[in-house]
Amino acid sequence: EVQLVQSGAEVKKPGESLKISCKGSGYNYAAYWIGWVRQMPGKGLEWMGIIYPADSDTRYSPSFQGQVTISVDKSISTAYLQWNSLKASDTAMYYCARQSVQTPTFDYWGQGTLVTVSS
Amino acid sequence: QSALTQPRSVSGSPGQSVTISCPGTSSYGGDYNSVSWYQQHPGKAPRLIIYRVSERPSGVPDRFSGSKYGDTASLTISGLQAEDEADYYCYSYAGDYPYVFGTGTKVTVL
Repeated sequence: EVQLVQSGAEVKKPGESLKISCKGSGYNYAAYWIGWVRQMPGKGLEWMGIIYPADSDTRYSPSFQGQVTISVDKSISTAYLQWNSLKASDTAMYYCARQSVQTPTFDYWGQGTLVTVSS
Repeated sequence: QSALTQPRSVSGSPGQSVTISCPGTSSYGGDYNSVSWYQQHPGKAPRLIIYRVSERPSGVPDRFSGSKYGDTASLTISGLQAEDEADYYCYSYAGDYPYVFGTGTKVTVL
């Protein structure tokens, strides 16, 4: 069974750093892209970026380039989303999802990680 | 563009059909069939309901159907049921972005 399990909710202060994770199981982890999606409170889905675990090829949305870092450790089937200096506006639910190579389709999703940034 | 523009909301009575449009899905070239749709209930992760314009994953009821004409993709829910009340998002290739979601449509079952 394909599963993506994300790390737990986080409460941070502005200026702090954070790294959240997304662990895959039940499939060949290296053969599918892993994407990250932001959903701010009461708002829609925003595509942040995507990484290919086999070679760490990474693409970012221009809206998120330079604001976050996406990385992967394929040896433990885990992708990461990282901030160096959080802002209150980073408060959101973050989802990881698996995307096939052949077509832009997120077929499996993680449960989401809620990040709250507040002083 | 940072998002594909969907209607903010659509509604229908049980048993009726509703259609959600997603224009701009061919504006950046790429595979014409690079469109998928997602359903999201409150407090839940999104769920894939349509891929490659009109394909349904196993387990998705056949009252959900997708189509595309020219630049605009559409999702139709036929025989609307109470559990279909949710938010729906399209997703497509978008050139330099390189992928983008639609702005989302709230479906209300009256």
